[in-house]
Amino acid sequence: DAMVIQNPRYQVTQFGKPVTLSCSQTLNHNVMYWYQQKSSQAPKLLFHYYDKDFNNEADTPDNFQSRRPNTSFCFLDIRSPGLGDAAMYLCATSTGTRTNEQFFGPGTRLTVL
Amino acid sequence: DQQVKQNSPSLSVQEGRISILNCDYTNSMFDYFLWYKKYPAEGPTFLISISSIKDKNEDGRFTVFLNKSAKHLSLHIVPSQPGDSAVYFCAASRSLTLNAGNNRKLIWGLGTSLAVNP
Repeated sequence: DAMVIQNPRYQVTQFGKPVTLSCSQTLNHNVMYWYQQKSSQAPKLLFHYYDKDFNNEADTPDNFQSRRPNTSFCFLDIRSPGLGDAAMYLCATSTGTRTNEQFFGPGTRLTVL
Repeated sequence: DQQVKQNSPSLSVQEGRISILNCDYTNSMFDYFLWYKKYPAEGPTFLISISSIKDKNEDGRFTVFLNKSAKHLSLHIVPSQPGDSAVYFCAASRSLTLNAGNNRKLIWGLGTSLAVNP
């Protein structure tokens, strides 16, 4: 089945220790998104790639970086995680067409100790 | 400024009855609306959508109604089932550029937690 896969599902890191979350997709979609979601809040868009074009949200901290080496994979790098970065990180894909229906992965729950 | 608002944080409904989840928006430029369902510890799952040129879209037990003049949409679930218990997010989008393959962002509401009681 075509899908969006996120690894790991649960990640524990230490304060200030870099961490990388990964996302892969078999949908062959043009667009890949990274969202941060904290409890009882809406998903917050961090950035997205349209093919190789990177689009950063204005309020995304510099601590968050992303890489998309090919169509299938996208990575979220948190250079120096703080306690406030503990959250669910969601990867999503879309075809980038007008409807913009986005398909989400299961998410990675990040804990910062 | 919350452009997409779901004013009811939670809703409780009896199994077999209708669930009505509401969503209001402020930006008249939105031209596409989506509903997502989210279970705990999972990513959101697309449920149903509607274009601004329509006022109703139906898919099985799920119907979305759009009232453009009131900038209001609602999701109806009939009949409600215990498995429908989840958080429901309303999202809206509009094109950001006029180029082909333009990028679109989803603007999300805060969600409504639906509990369907057996």
